[in-house]
Amino acid sequence: DGGITQSPKYLFRKEGQNVTLSCEQNLNHDAMYWYRQDPGQGLRLIYYSQIVNDFQKGDIAEGYSVSREKKESFPLTVTSAQKNPTAFYLCASSIGTGGPYEQYFGPGTRLTVT
Amino acid sequence: GENVEQHPSTLSVQEGDSAVIKCTYSDSASNYFPWYKQELGKRPQLIIDIRSNVGEKKDQRIAVTLNKTAKHFSLHITETQPEDSAVYFCAAGASNNNDMRFGAGTRLTVKP
Repeated sequence: DGGITQSPKYLFRKEGQNVTLSCEQNLNHDAMYWYRQDPGQGLRLIYYSQIVNDFQKGDIAEGYSVSREKKESFPLTVTSAQKNPTAFYLCASSIGTGGPYEQYFGPGTRLTVT
Repeated sequence: GENVEQHPSTLSVQEGDSAVIKCTYSDSASNYFPWYKQELGKRPQLIIDIRSNVGEKKDQRIAVTLNKTAKHFSLHITETQPEDSAVYFCAAGASNNNDMRFGAGTRLTVKP
């Protein structure tokens, strides 16, 4: 299960606090993605990045921010502006260039905000 | 943008029976159609994919069919086994970008 890692596995925060979820890959993939998974709603795209220092909004980017300063890393910040942040967050990566290609997923982070 | 619909949301079959999950997509530019399996508490993993230059692909008990005219594709699992029980996601992507859109998922239960 190596290749793409997310930490921590479980995260608890108080409402009003920003929180950053980590995603790291050693697959030398150009493209990285963040998805949110809620019961019955599948995987919804938050942000994606095709290359270092560049990223695009997905379908539900409001209340989230990302950075891509290194090829290996694509952290996601859940801000206090996200109205319903409690969810399971999945990071993925793919070869990128000339895609789309198979996406490899991390183990996920379950965020609970109270 | 692309919109992927998946049916049914839940599917229960008897061990040994076949299971079929169907997806439709909206963007005619989509040309890559993967299927992912997510077991309870685990990450989604690719089980089979198809590109638009073929109409069918098989891998042992799993097959995917694609109808580009009708914009739908299906996953077929034959001789189902209890270990096939999981949530299955379809997705669609186009070669002009690297993002994909996923269906809402189908929870398959195979009863022994």
